[in-house]
Amino acid sequence: QKEVEQDPGPLSVPEGAIVSLNCTYSNSAFQYFMWYRQYSRKGPELLMYTYSSGNKEDGRFTAQVDKSSKYISLFIRDSQPSDSATYLCAMTNQAGTALIFGKGTTLSVSS
Amino acid sequence: ETGVTQSPTHLIKTRGQQVTLRCSSQSGHNTVSWYQQALGQGPQFIFQYYREEENGRGNFPPRFSGLQFPNYSSELNVNALELDDSALYLCASSLDAGYEQYFGPGTRLTVT
Repeated sequence: QKEVEQDPGPLSVPEGAIVSLNCTYSNSAFQYFMWYRQYSRKGPELLMYTYSSGNKEDGRFTAQVDKSSKYISLFIRDSQPSDSATYLCAMTNQAGTALIFGKGTTLSVSS
Repeated sequence: ETGVTQSPTHLIKTRGQQVTLRCSSQSGHNTVSWYQQALGQGPQFIFQYYREEENGRGNFPPRFSGLQFPNYSSELNVNALELDDSALYLCASSLDAGYEQYFGPGTRLTVT
């Protein structure tokens, strides 16, 4: 079992839809949870990060962490064609040295 | 504020050769981490340098080595290149070896 599991998709939605992206993990030592967005042939861009369990909102994006279920989510409201990219979840323990990534979910938003 | 930069953008090498990739950290950051991203996969941690010392290493063989300089820029060296080393090599910078890591655009290495 990989430490971080993420459905690679692809996920196709119409413009304006609410998108839900998810990851599960197995290592209970993970404390910090990140979401990155990666456009084709570019480096990952940090979207949001959360510590431990709870919700965090930033504009159209909401990150949720449920440590009891070892499950994290990223919600995108009012999705736009410019949101079309690969979304990577990443997490790390208290030391914060190595980020452990999922495989990424490819999202396509059509206008 | 200057972001993370990497050079070169693309590189083609032959199996058995050696390669050096370079990274300049974001201004104010003192930590550089290197990741390898194969096609269709998430990035995999190679190692991290904090204040010029190696501060953690992933499951990569010793032919992957690195350096960090006093200005916090960094190099990744790979010896005896193998076909499976073909990937996007990403550098990320952070402050004090923290989890908030910001990535550069990457160097795409092709080994033939």
